[in-house]
Amino acid sequence: QSVLTQPPSVSGAPGQRVTISCTGSSSNIGADYDVHWYQQFPGTAPELLIYGNDNRPSGVPDRFSGSKSGTSASLAITGLQAEDEADYYCQSYDSSLSGWVFGGGTKLTVL
Amino acid sequence: QVQLQESGPGLVKPSETLSLTCTVSGGSVSNSGHYWGWIRQPPGKGLEWIGSVYYSGTTYYNASLRSRVTMSVDTSKNQFSLKLRSVTAADTAVYRCVRQDLYSEHEYAIVAYWGRGTLVTVSS
Repeated sequence: QSVLTQPPSVSGAPGQRVTISCTGSSSNIGADYDVHWYQQFPGTAPELLIYGNDNRPSGVPDRFSGSKSGTSASLAITGLQAEDEADYYCQSYDSSLSGWVFGGGTKLTVL
Repeated sequence: QVQLQESGPGLVKPSETLSLTCTVSGGSVSNSGHYWGWIRQPPGKGLEWIGSVYYSGTTYYNASLRSRVTMSVDTSKNQFSLKLRSVTAADTAVYRCVRQDLYSEHEYAIVAYWGRGTLVTVSS
């Protein structure tokens, strides 16, 4: 059971917009700790996609955006492309656990 | 460009100790502003942070693993290491060493660099 809750899977057609939610609690996201998002393709290491809730590292397309409100965060992908099919993980810090925590991951399927 | 490479046995017997080393190139483990950590991923499952070590030797461990984990840093070799004691089949996973970059206080760290990972299987 992950501390941060994500939907196991989401899907969308090319060109559509999808969102992935990440729900936490008052000891992590709700405590105003930042949320980061990672993208992972099969057989490879994850890569940073969004950091500090809504910031994109250089090289990440602006089709990807992040937001945070209360005890939840979201990753939005617009103009969905086949190459976006991957697993997505949110991550934050938890003060009760005194450590970094991940969501369980969401598999994005492009129909 | 920072590169991290894990090394260690790919097979460990139950109740024994898993030992991995991460060699860092293109950067120094002695630099401040970074944590050096381990994250594992059981086959077909999600990511789990194991722990992190600062160049000074200060360590931070996942509460659920704290009683079995020891991490250390060797600045002379530009390496850091992980030991996980009393392993069981549940510890079978791909283990990746990472560099966490601090952009504010301790809690605000992002995983900026990842090793490719090494599969460690716990089996007799």
